[in-house]
Amino acid sequence: GENVEQHPSTLSVQEGDSAVIKCTYSDSASNYFPWYKQELGKRPQLIIDIRSNVGEKKDQRIAVTLNKTAKHFSLHITETQPEDSAVYFCAANDAGGTSYGKLTFGQGTILTVHP
Amino acid sequence: EPEVTQTPSHQVTQMGQEVILRCVPISNHLYFYWYRQILGQKVEFLVSFYNNEISEKSEIFDDQFSVERPDGSNFTLKIRSTKLEDSAMYFCATPGEAEQFFGPGTRLTVL
Repeated sequence: GENVEQHPSTLSVQEGDSAVIKCTYSDSASNYFPWYKQELGKRPQLIIDIRSNVGEKKDQRIAVTLNKTAKHFSLHITETQPEDSAVYFCAANDAGGTSYGKLTFGQGTILTVHP
Repeated sequence: EPEVTQTPSHQVTQMGQEVILRCVPISNHLYFYWYRQILGQKVEFLVSFYNNEISEKSEIFDDQFSVERPDGSNFTLKIRSTKLEDSAMYFCATPGEAEQFFGPGTRLTVL
């Protein structure tokens, strides 16, 4: 089955700096890669996703890149703010580029943005 | 934002007791998932449910777990004989047009 590895496990940055979180996956059939943000005690909430027919996607301060050949994808947050502090999870599935199908999650990254 | 509700928000039980966790997903949705998150760890897939049948389950989803759709709207996850290691957050999720949407979760504490 799919295995998703995520690094780093913790990331500490100063407000205004950029943050990069990286994930690798094992199943070449995976084609949908969401990123979730989870605040303490809350549900995971989607912040951005990318499908395998696209190499990069951007939404304001957040961007995701995908390298299908190397089987890795990354989350980039620019101009970080204290409210970006949370746990971030990458995930993958092989459901034809849709949100259907089980998601396999990475181990999570605790992002701390210092004012 | 699609609405997925879960009850109870927190369940405390004694080891060996049965618990039932409930979820009301997006109206009339046929797909449904349960995930587990042990404190401080990653989200783990338990089971997917499609059109009143289990479509896929993980190794975690052993014989002590079961899922049902007792009526037309809500779904349940039953743990027959809870163990200490079942303590976790349990999330239900349904796929929407743009994302797989997670409910608020039930925190299960097994003493």
